[in-house]
This record gives sequence, structure tokens and C-alpha cells, in this order.
Amino acid sequence: SQQGEEDPQALSIQEGENATMNCSYKTSINNLQWYRQNSGRGLVHLILIRSNEREKHSGRLRVTLDTSKKSSSLLITASRAADTASYFCATVFRGAQKLVFGQGTRLTINP
Amino acid sequence: DAGVIQSPRHEVTEMGQEVTLRCKPISGHDYLFWYRQTMMRGLELLIYFNNNVPIDDSGMPEDRFSAKMPNASFSTLKIQPSEPRDSAVYFCASSLSAAATNEKLFFGSGTQLSVL
Repeated sequence: SQQGEEDPQALSIQEGENATMNCSYKTSINNLQWYRQNSGRGLVHLILIRSNEREKHSGRLRVTLDTSKKSSSLLITASRAADTASYFCATVFRGAQKLVFGQGTRLTINP
Repeated sequence: DAGVIQSPRHEVTEMGQEVTLRCKPISGHDYLFWYRQTMMRGLELLIYFNNNVPIDDSGMPEDRFSAKMPNASFSTLKIQPSEPRDSAVYFCASSLSAAATNEKLFFGSGTQLSVL
């Protein structure tokens, strides 16, 4: 499968702590994207990192990309209860025009 | 902009019935995608369109599934006849241009389909 694989599948932390989710993939990519899905809702784009970039920031989000290891990580700093959601990485493989999603990490922030 | 609009939000039907899901993409977006989400298989891409033309339908599970995009502001996904294993959340998404050119997808709220 070309799907990215997230790790861990589920993560539960206390409010205020940092949350780190990882994504691995198998083939060369054009870009990698992270999305959030709140329960019962559609996916919302968080951040996109291009294959020639190594790190990007957006507010409390930090994404890294290591193309040599075919992996990416999403760090959410100073977590809040509202960050409770599922987080998906999605990759666009070279030569393709479509986004392929991983299975997601379910993040729970405990007050 | 109202975003990607899907209807209905929920659909409950009996096995063998025809089901039609509808999607209105964001105005000006050239690409439209249909995804299906289940616990077992996650998010699967079913088909996508570029400028109303189907480009890749390799994810459509069976001939029972068909999708059309008669114009830039409307698409349908039809299942005929429906089966219980089709029960899932179906998402429509659109993007300004190809994801390969570093564009993000905008998702609708989805249609929760239950086939009894």
C-alpha cells in the first residue's frame, strides 16, 4: 500500500503537554500534508511541507520532514482540550495527482 | 465562501436501493475528489475529476458505484444497488489545482450512509 502510516494510533495526554505524532511512507513524494478531523466532521488542512523542506511552523504546530527516512512528525505544543481530534498525514507521490491518507492518530487531551 | 457542500448529511436506506450523494465544490476549484471513510479501511480515494472530467476512478470498488460531474459546481456519487458493506462516511473535497502542485484539499462535512 502507498498509504502513510501514523504512529501512535492513539495518544492521550494532559492539557498543556506537547503531543508528537509520526508518519512514515514508502515512496518518493512531492509534498506531505497534515489534516485534523474532529468527531463527526470533515477533514481540515493544517500544514503542508514540500519535499525540499525540512521543517515548517504554524502557530503551535511544528512539522518536520526527513525524506531520507521517509518520515514526518507533527508536534503540537501546549496542547488544549480543543486539540482533541484525529490527525492524518497525507502524501502526494511523485507522478501522481492524488492525496493518499494514512490511518490517523487519535489524540485525546485530558483537562 | 460556504465551503464544500454535501447532501444529505445522513442517509439510511435498505439493501438493494439506489443511493445518490451530492456535492457542490468551492467555486473556482478545478479538482474534485470523492473519498470513503470506514474504521477498517480508513480514508480511501474513490475517484477524482479535473475540470469536470474523471481522471482516476481506480478506487471505485465495483460497477455498482458511479460518479458524474455534469458541470463545475455539481457532482454526484451513485450506488446502485446498495449493500450493507457500503455503509461508511463519504466525503467530497475540492482543490484549486492539483495536489502535486502543493495545493490543499477542502473537505465537505460528509454523508453518513447506512445500508440496512
